[in-house]
Amino acid sequence: GAGVSQSPSNKVTEKGKDVELRCDPISGHTALYWYRQSLGQGLEFLIYFQGNSAPDKSGLPSDRFSAERTGGSVSTLTIQRTQQEDSAVYLCASSLQTRTGTYEQYFGPGTRLTVT
Amino acid sequence: AQRVTQPEKLLSVFKGAPVELKCNYSYSGSPELFWYVQYSRQRLQLLLRHISRESIKGFTADLNKGETSFHLKKPFAQEEDSAMYYCALSNDYKLSFGAGTTVTVRA
Repeated sequence: GAGVSQSPSNKVTEKGKDVELRCDPISGHTALYWYRQSLGQGLEFLIYFQGNSAPDKSGLPSDRFSAERTGGSVSTLTIQRTQQEDSAVYLCASSLQTRTGTYEQYFGPGTRLTVT
Repeated sequence: AQRVTQPEKLLSVFKGAPVELKCNYSYSGSPELFWYVQYSRQRLQLLLRHISRESIKGFTADLNKGETSFHLKKPFAQEEDSAMYYCALSNDYKLSFGAGTTVTVRA
């Protein structure tokens, strides 16, 4: 079956513009995660969605970042008023329910965001 | 707070030589640890997890709670092992990743 997909694969934007990044998780996966991979740094957790529960937004670096998950499936990560330090690869992952255990997370190919 | 440290950014070995990627962690509870791998132009994928105690592609990793380590080892490296490797620690559902180690296996 299809894996996690993300769009666009690359995005170049000017400083100050808003961007939207999209993630389509694996069908049937109730948990969805966003991570950021910056040059020279590890992967940084951003946000977690699990079913209809309130998302864990504790990893969002500022209030310019927000995310939604509609219908328990597709998710959109929005960055408002982009800054150059937002340049990174944004990874989405999905997994089966994790409340009773840690399931393998399946990662998408990422969106490379460049803010000029 | 949990933290994962991978002290080596780059590791270069010859084909057939042993390879060991170091990973140390700090965590107050009982950790669940993973190694993820990202081959060139491929997506990040799970390599192995400590609870399964299995060998994947010849790699093994043993959790040492006394030394708070989860080093990844392979006795005979192959060229196809060239990749970026990330050690990760799970806190319920969140994964905390190390900075990653780029492994190059030379012929």
